[in-house]
Amino acid sequence: NAGVTQTPKFQVLKTGQSMTLQCAQDMNHEYMSWYRQDPGMGLRLIHYSVGAGITDQGEVPNGYNVSRSTTEDFPLRLLSAAPSQTSVYFCASSYSSDQGGNTFGSGTRLTVV
Amino acid sequence: GESVGLHLPTLSVQEGDNSIINCAYSNSASDYFIWYKQESGKGPQFIIDIRSNMDKRQGQRVTVLLNKTVKHLSLQIAATQPGDSAVYFCAEIPYNFNKFYFGSGTKLNVKP
Repeated sequence: NAGVTQTPKFQVLKTGQSMTLQCAQDMNHEYMSWYRQDPGMGLRLIHYSVGAGITDQGEVPNGYNVSRSTTEDFPLRLLSAAPSQTSVYFCASSYSSDQGGNTFGSGTRLTVV
Repeated sequence: GESVGLHLPTLSVQEGDNSIINCAYSNSASDYFIWYKQESGKGPQFIIDIRSNMDKRQGQRVTVLLNKTVKHLSLQIAATQPGDSAVYFCAEIPYNFNKFYFGSGTKLNVKP
């Protein structure tokens, strides 16, 4: 098992550019989620999904879109990057939101200039 | 949003001592709590969880205590080792809400 795989590990974008952060898991987990982590802060939930075809907003969804066409993949799209989106992004998965905690990916460090 | 916070941003302990990391939460309806460990440059790693119908749960060298009366959660690490040095986060999941709310983290520094 590879666990949760995030790509890329690092990315620099110019303001206004769009991009997709990839996340894939091979554990057949139903629940997947995206977080951002800013310096000295905890993780904030961006979007989450309780299963294929179902997504919902977290605490800080503005400027981000997600889709869940398969159980394995949960990409995060930045529509028009802004410097405020400079952060480390983590994808996570679990069997459900209340079972056993999340397995996290290793993160994507995004810088928007 | 929900409020999950930590009392101490940095905790320094001597190797071999016990560590206690604290966390306060605001939603009395929260059903599920998790402690995570995050080492530098890595994603958070699940340590231990506890449900609201329990007061205490033990793992290997770790114990989580839940005090619902004062909405307080703590993580106890026995015989702290240098490998325990990391940032520790608590997370709160309100009942049937599907959303995790993380605290801001406590950095544990273990001195040899």
